[in-house]
Amino acid sequence: GEDVEQSLFLSVREGDSSVINCTYTDSSSTYLYWYKQEPGAGLQLLTYIFSNMDMKQDQRLTVLLNKKDKHLSLRIADTQTGDSAIYFCAESIGGYNKLIFGAGTRLAVHP
Amino acid sequence: NAGVTQTPKFQVLKTGQSMTLQCAQDMNHEYMSWYRQDPGMGLRLIHYSVGAGITDQGEVPNGYNVSRSTTEDFPLRLLSAAPSQTSVYFCASSPDGNTEAFFGQGTRLTVV
Repeated sequence: GEDVEQSLFLSVREGDSSVINCTYTDSSSTYLYWYKQEPGAGLQLLTYIFSNMDMKQDQRLTVLLNKKDKHLSLRIADTQTGDSAIYFCAESIGGYNKLIFGAGTRLAVHP
Repeated sequence: NAGVTQTPKFQVLKTGQSMTLQCAQDMNHEYMSWYRQDPGMGLRLIHYSVGAGITDQGEVPNGYNVSRSTTEDFPLRLLSAAPSQTSVYFCASSPDGNTEAFFGQGTRLTVV
């Protein structure tokens, strides 16, 4: 079945770049997403990439997609303390707002 | 514009009780979904709807019922609560089922 895997924890120094990685199994995924969850809150969409793209950049965020290896990454440039949160990778299966999520990567930003 | 509103925010149930988690959106989205989030796991899809009157099962539907009588509302019913249903529940809506899902703030449910 479908599966999305992420490393569970990442610690970076403020001002450095963060790279969060994700692998997925379903080659028919049409969209891949990065969501951010702050404590006690719902999920906020950060960015998404269509499966026929290799890269997408949006201000401090860069998404890289390697379809051959089914690998997705999110790079956050100049990481700030406000970026501390859990980041979820997700893939869309067949549309209809049906998302398969990874377990989330907890990003900790320290001075 | 309220977005996706879930009520209640917190709930404690006894085993065997039933209840309905409410979800409402004011964005006229056709697609709505319910997910549960358990510690150390990502969100898992319970049920989803592609429009009023149309619902289908997701990955973990057992123990839950849904209906969609209007575009705005998508309630989730627990028929006979079990401790395994202790979780945080999120409702989401999407205009097209693909580009962006808007999530509510969640309902934290504890079944004792």
